[in-house]
Amino acid sequence: GAGVSQSPRYKVAKRGQDVALRCDPISGHVSLFWYQQALGQGPEFLTYFQNEAQLDKSGLPSDRFFAERPEGSVSTLKIQRTQQEDSAVYLCASSLDTGLKLFFGSGTQLSVL
Amino acid sequence: GDSVTQMEGPVTLSEEAFLTINCTYTATGYPSLFWYVQYPGEGLQLLLKATKADDKGSNKGFEATYRKETTSFHLEKGSVQVSDSAVYFCALSSGGSNYKLTFGKGTLLTVNP
Repeated sequence: GAGVSQSPRYKVAKRGQDVALRCDPISGHVSLFWYQQALGQGPEFLTYFQNEAQLDKSGLPSDRFFAERPEGSVSTLKIQRTQQEDSAVYLCASSLDTGLKLFFGSGTQLSVL
Repeated sequence: GDSVTQMEGPVTLSEEAFLTINCTYTATGYPSLFWYVQYPGEGLQLLLKATKADDKGSNKGFEATYRKETTSFHLEKGSVQVSDSAVYFCALSSGGSNYKLTFGKGTLLTVNP
């Protein structure tokens, strides 16, 4: 596709449910990033992939958060046993390679009730 | 750790007014500095960047100069348009983690006709 695509656009979950958020990066982009943006805040780094390798997951807030990119293209961010504080917009970005221009998707807005 | 502080919004201007959005940073070493823009309903887009002291980034009439002595990267535009209405984020990347962006909280700009 022409840009980074994220789905679903909106997700409402009951506290305790598991959710999976999908990111389709731009074709051929080696690097993929996940960011979390709470209401009224700037995005905060969660994790980074180069191809299928997860090189940095230092920003994941707890072991309930898990990300994968098994074939080096599509990535999934999974949140287990969601909590209210997980409510945020989750942004995915990709770039041709590390250090190059990032292209962001429109994000998935997660609301945990 | 690294941090970015930017001017609190919202900022409301009339068309053709002069714009300044202040941004200061704290970082180890010599960071690269960025301004990202988010138009309503769209993903974050890179507006401009500067990678070393005294560099000026520019794009679409916007400019920002990397000032190491004042640790600042203020965004300016001489004459804003209604179409510039968006949220603007100042960001940096530094050190060995040049892929990891640290963002400010964002500034909402509304330009009235």
